[in-house]
Amino acid sequence: AQKVTQAQTEISVVEKEDVTLDCVYETRDTTYYLFWYKQPPSGELVFLIRRNSFDEQNEISGRYSWNFQKSTSSFNFTITASQVVDSAVYFCALSGVWGKLQFGSGTQVVVTP
Amino acid sequence: GAVVSQHPSRVICKSGTSVKIECRSLDFQATTMFWYRQFPKKSLMLMATSNEGSKATYEQGVEKDKFLINHASLTLSTLTVTSAHPEDSSFYICSASSGTSPYEQYFGPGTRLTVT
Repeated sequence: AQKVTQAQTEISVVEKEDVTLDCVYETRDTTYYLFWYKQPPSGELVFLIRRNSFDEQNEISGRYSWNFQKSTSSFNFTITASQVVDSAVYFCALSGVWGKLQFGSGTQVVVTP
Repeated sequence: GAVVSQHPSRVICKSGTSVKIECRSLDFQATTMFWYRQFPKKSLMLMATSNEGSKATYEQGVEKDKFLINHASLTLSTLTVTSAHPEDSSFYICSASSGTSPYEQYFGPGTRLTVT
């Protein structure tokens, strides 16, 4: 069975601080995909990144960066120099090759000015 | 590209009535569509997977007769909540994939259902 754990329920930061969201996963599949989504108050899911199990390269996209470590089954997400617009719930998710997503419980990020 | 729409965005219905939610892929053919449910301040839970032209596959604990899913064309899947009750109130989100890469799925904006 697949499982995704986001231990942080809520993180509050002041604008311009960095924030790191933890994600730990469990799967027996050798081929799998990891995702991060942002869900603002409107409810719509915003896709941020997808990583496959064979690509452990870290990735940076603007203020966002991701650290994938198979050795610890983790796929952590860092927002650098946070902004108020980053306030949202962030979900880590895992799927096998057939696309059924298992979501973590989400981390609420609150950025105050 | 890869746009998925849902209709309606919000619906309020009375207990005992049925509600239909549509999920459309606007610019690609979706061989597979997924339906998720999200309770307030909770995570998304997969309800079912539907493949065009075949019966949906429901996750354990999801009532097939309560949540009817139809995927009659490559661009449309519908979820009908039958005999809705207040506990069915939730945020329902669909996603669609083209089938060549099922893990590459695109989410609709969601439908907020309130049953009074």
